[in-house]
Amino acid sequence: AQSVAQPEDQVNVAEGNPLTVKCTYSVSGNPYLFWYVQYPNRGLQFLLKYITGDNLVKGSYGFEAEFNKSQTSFHLKKPSALVSDSALYFCAVREINQGGKLIFGQGTELSVKP
Amino acid sequence: GAGVSQSPSNKVTEKGKDVELRCDPISGHTALYWYRQSLGQGLEFLIYFQGNSAPDKSGLPSDRFSAERTGGSVSTLTIQRTQQEDSAVYLCASSAERRGTDTQYFGPGTRLTVL
Repeated sequence: AQSVAQPEDQVNVAEGNPLTVKCTYSVSGNPYLFWYVQYPNRGLQFLLKYITGDNLVKGSYGFEAEFNKSQTSFHLKKPSALVSDSALYFCAVREINQGGKLIFGQGTELSVKP
Repeated sequence: GAGVSQSPSNKVTEKGKDVELRCDPISGHTALYWYRQSLGQGLEFLIYFQGNSAPDKSGLPSDRFSAERTGGSVSTLTIQRTQQEDSAVYLCASSAERRGTDTQYFGPGTRLTVL
């Protein structure tokens, strides 16, 4: 069975510093990996995805993620954090069979302080 | 263009009542998904539609939960005889499914509170 783990419930970063939100996965076959962000009382917003190709994926709002097959990781990064980046971040892997439902990690709360 | 819409945004109901939650996907998207977000369980898959058929219902937690989709567009999730443990945010997503790797886009969710 496919699974995703986000080892940190919360990440605290000072504004202007780089941020990393960690994600590891377990899949059989090629992984299709996604990051979503959720602001308070809002739905999930798509940030970026890895399907194939370059290991460094660039997405919305200056975020990027690095796919590392040997470490089975897909960490989300941003060179310079903004206070407005404070939100709940979810990593997900897509089931290859059965219609492609998403399996989510437990989420990481990112707090960026001025 | 318009995104995924859901209604109502909030629903408060009494234990034992039936509720219907509605999802209007992005126009032209053939795949539609329902998920549930709760404090204890995180984000869980409920059901997947391709067109009007539901090839994957594996996430529905009990037979009190059902869903349908008509005309390949709007979907309704029905919960019968609601219980307090049904309280959660119900999220709908749609994707174009031109390829298996298409992105799922989410609606704002319906917050269900069962008293």
